[in-house]
Amino acid sequence: GQSLEQPSEVTAVEGAIVQINCTYQTSGFYGLSWYQQHDGGAPTFLSYNGLDGLEETGRFSSFLSRSDSYGYLLLQELQMKDSASYFCAVRDRRDDKIIFGKGTRLHILP
Amino acid sequence: DTGVSQNPRHKITKRGQNVTFRCDPISEHNRLYWYRQTLGQGPEFLTYFQNEAQLEKSRLLSDRFSAERPKGSFSTLEIQRTEQGDSAMYLCASSLGLAKNIQYFGAGTRLSVL
Repeated sequence: GQSLEQPSEVTAVEGAIVQINCTYQTSGFYGLSWYQQHDGGAPTFLSYNGLDGLEETGRFSSFLSRSDSYGYLLLQELQMKDSASYFCAVRDRRDDKIIFGKGTRLHILP
Repeated sequence: DTGVSQNPRHKITKRGQNVTFRCDPISEHNRLYWYRQTLGQGPEFLTYFQNEAQLEKSRLLSDRFSAERPKGSFSTLEIQRTEQGDSAMYLCASSLGLAKNIQYFGAGTRLSVL
């Protein structure tokens, strides 16, 4: 089966850097992705890692280590609008399902 | 490109009634996914289509749930004999293939079963 573990909540200060970790177990790994969801909104795609290493997209970066079944999302220069839930998700190679973690609620303090 | 559209946005029903939701994906997107999301949880996979073919269905999905995508465009999700435990946000997502695992989500249909 598949499972993902991520912290339920993280708190950081505006302007700071925060890292949200994700560990996964899957029978057939096919990439780790990250989604952002504001309260009452739809999940929106942020980043994807298919290979080991760091992917950077503006203030957001994502890292993957396939040998450790581990990844993280790094948010820099935090802004109040970054207050949201962040989900890691894996695609299972066997059946193409995308499985989401339970999400990390990011609280940003002024 | 008008995005993924879901209707209705909210549905309140009494236990035992049937409900149907509609999802209009981004045009030309061949894959369409249905998820259920409850408060404080991530989207939970229900089923997905490639064009009109339903390729996978969650084992957690009871026989009361059925989905169709008759012409490979819009899709409907029907829940028969609703139960209070069905109360949730039902999300639809579409993609063109699954490059980078990118899915585009609709705003969802919030179902409340009284």
